[in-house]
Amino acid sequence: AQKVTQAQTEISVVEKEDVTLDCVYETRDTTYYLFWYKQPPSGELVFLIRRNSFDEQNEISGRYSWNFQKSTSSFNFTITASQVVDSAVYFCALIGNKLVFGAGTILRVKS
Amino acid sequence: DAGITQSPRHKVTETGTPVTLRCHQTENHRYMYWYRQDPGHGLRLIHYSYGVKDTDKGEVSDGYSVSRSKTEDFLLTLESATSSQTSVYFCAITDKGGSYNEQFFGPGTRLTVL
Repeated sequence: AQKVTQAQTEISVVEKEDVTLDCVYETRDTTYYLFWYKQPPSGELVFLIRRNSFDEQNEISGRYSWNFQKSTSSFNFTITASQVVDSAVYFCALIGNKLVFGAGTILRVKS
Repeated sequence: DAGITQSPRHKVTETGTPVTLRCHQTENHRYMYWYRQDPGHGLRLIHYSYGVKDTDKGEVSDGYSVSRSKTEDFLLTLESATSSQTSVYFCAITDKGGSYNEQFFGPGTRLTVL
């Protein structure tokens, strides 16, 4: 069975703080992909990143970075120097034979 | 942005009435999906389609049916709406459903069943 756990239901930070959103997954597939999506207050779902199971290199995109560790089945997402516009619900997802989403983490960034 | 629209964007209906939600894409993508989003559950797959007239069930398909008579349209029908089907419904598309490409989502439909 496939499962994605985002243990942090809600996180509040003050602007300019760094914040890490945790994602732990379970799958028996040897080939799979992991995703992060952002859902701002306007409600749309925005694709952020895709990472395959054979590539454990960390990735950085501006203030966003992702840490993939197969040894701990984790795919964590860090926002550096958070901004109010980062306030959103963030979903981690896994696709092996089907796409499974975590329950999401609400991030509130206060000015 | 992927060309995906959903209609209606908001709907309020009464228990027992039929409801049809429409997803329309202009990308000519083969794969289309319907999800529902509920607090604490993330998104859960209802049904998906891998081509015209080819559909299959997701993890929460009870009470829902789908149809795809054209590449661009994927309809989700609640034959007899219940209050438990109050949710936000998202349509998604991808050009390669089995090869792990990211899915692109429509704007969502907020359905309230009274």
